[in-house]
Amino acid sequence: DGGITQSPKYLFRKEGQNVTLSCEQNLNHDAMYWYRQDPGQGLRLIYYSQIVNDFQKGDIAEGYSVSREKKESFPLTVTSAQKNPTAFYLCASSSGGSGNTIYFGEGSWLTVV
Amino acid sequence: GESVGLHLPTLSVQEGDNSIINCAYSNSASDYFIWYKQESGKGPQFIIDIRSNMDKRQGQRVTVLLNKTVKHLSLQIAATQPGDSAVYFCAERGDTGRRALTFGSGTRLQVQP
Repeated sequence: DGGITQSPKYLFRKEGQNVTLSCEQNLNHDAMYWYRQDPGQGLRLIYYSQIVNDFQKGDIAEGYSVSREKKESFPLTVTSAQKNPTAFYLCASSSGGSGNTIYFGEGSWLTVV
Repeated sequence: GESVGLHLPTLSVQEGDNSIINCAYSNSASDYFIWYKQESGKGPQFIIDIRSNMDKRQGQRVTVLLNKTVKHLSLQIAATQPGDSAVYFCAERGDTGRRALTFGSGTRLQVQP
């Protein structure tokens, strides 16, 4: 099946640990995105990448890091510097350009214990 | 999984009625708009999109209206069904620079049988 795969679906992190969320797409999309969603709120942009080997900070990048070494992969690392990491994380991709739809994966729940 | 959208404004309609969900967007330079549907614990699902050079677009049972003068977007769902119950988000994208989506805060639609 074509689409965006996020893993793991549920992840628990101890305070002080870094964790990495995986996002893979087989849609041959150039652009990929990471959003964070908290209960009762919309989605906020963490990082985005318009092309391989390039990425830009979004609105809430502090405490997060990303890499884009391959077109199909855009992993997100939640570092210990992120003080309130418990949230629902959503990865998305699009073919880029004007008016191209952005499609989302099914999300990853991260909880700090 | 934890539910998102716990404190969102709620629209309650009877099954079979038409629903109208409204959204005010912020950037007068935005050139592309999308409506998403999000069910609890899942990623947003694309419903319909519209470009800024249009004021109306129709899909299957859904219509999006764009009023650029007052920066207002609406989603109309005809003959609302129980399966339409979800949180609905509008999203906008600027015409230059950052090409990632900015999301509104969302509206919960509850369909009463």
